[in-house]
Amino acid sequence: SYELTQSPSVSVSPGQTARITCSGDILSKQFGYWYQQKSGQAPVLVIFKDNERPSGIPERFSGSSSGTTVTLTISGVQAEDEAEYFCQSADDSGPYTVLFGGGTKLTVL
Amino acid sequence: QVQLLESGGGVVQPGRSLRLSCAASGFGFNDYSLHWVRQAPGRGLEWVALTSPDGSIRHYSETVKGRFTISRDNSKNTLYLEMISLRTEDTAKYYCARDHQPSNAIDVWGQGTLVTVSS
Repeated sequence: SYELTQSPSVSVSPGQTARITCSGDILSKQFGYWYQQKSGQAPVLVIFKDNERPSGIPERFSGSSSGTTVTLTISGVQAEDEAEYFCQSADDSGPYTVLFGGGTKLTVL
Repeated sequence: QVQLLESGGGVVQPGRSLRLSCAASGFGFNDYSLHWVRQAPGRGLEWVALTSPDGSIRHYSETVKGRFTISRDNSKNTLYLEMISLRTEDTAKYYCARDHQPSNAIDVWGQGTLVTVSS
């Protein structure tokens, strides 16, 4: 079975660029997705199909993919971006399965 | 306004059963696949189950297969999760969520309902 691996935490100062990575073999054949979850709230989709942004998501959020890794980049980080970020993919090679990474806590210093 | 509202959570003893409901509004319920996703306290997201728009196709995580059943009533715009033989490790907030049609993402989430399995 496939797994998605994320670093537990990332810290940046306001205005800097934060990069959060997610690795897994499934990402070489399936798209990656990113969710932001603030404390006590439901997740919010911020990137789909590796690099597309849903309407209403600020332009400072972007995504990229290379090989078995997808990256969420937040340019000009703001205090309000402090949250847990989860990557996700899907495996349809057998019984359909949705996979989530373990999450990365972004701290804005 | 697109909305998903879960209900039915609570405290239940190990081995007992519980049924969660999710009332949807603001979109064409019949047109979307729907998920249940859970999150144990202080932990990450874990996908539980998915049902197709007409309910004919259902997929489950290995962790819940055989114990949980996802279903929907399109006439009532409601999604369900029937859970039997509950275990302490099933303790989590359970989210109802809508499948993102252009992709395999999830684009709408409810606020969740908390299930606590404890003796």
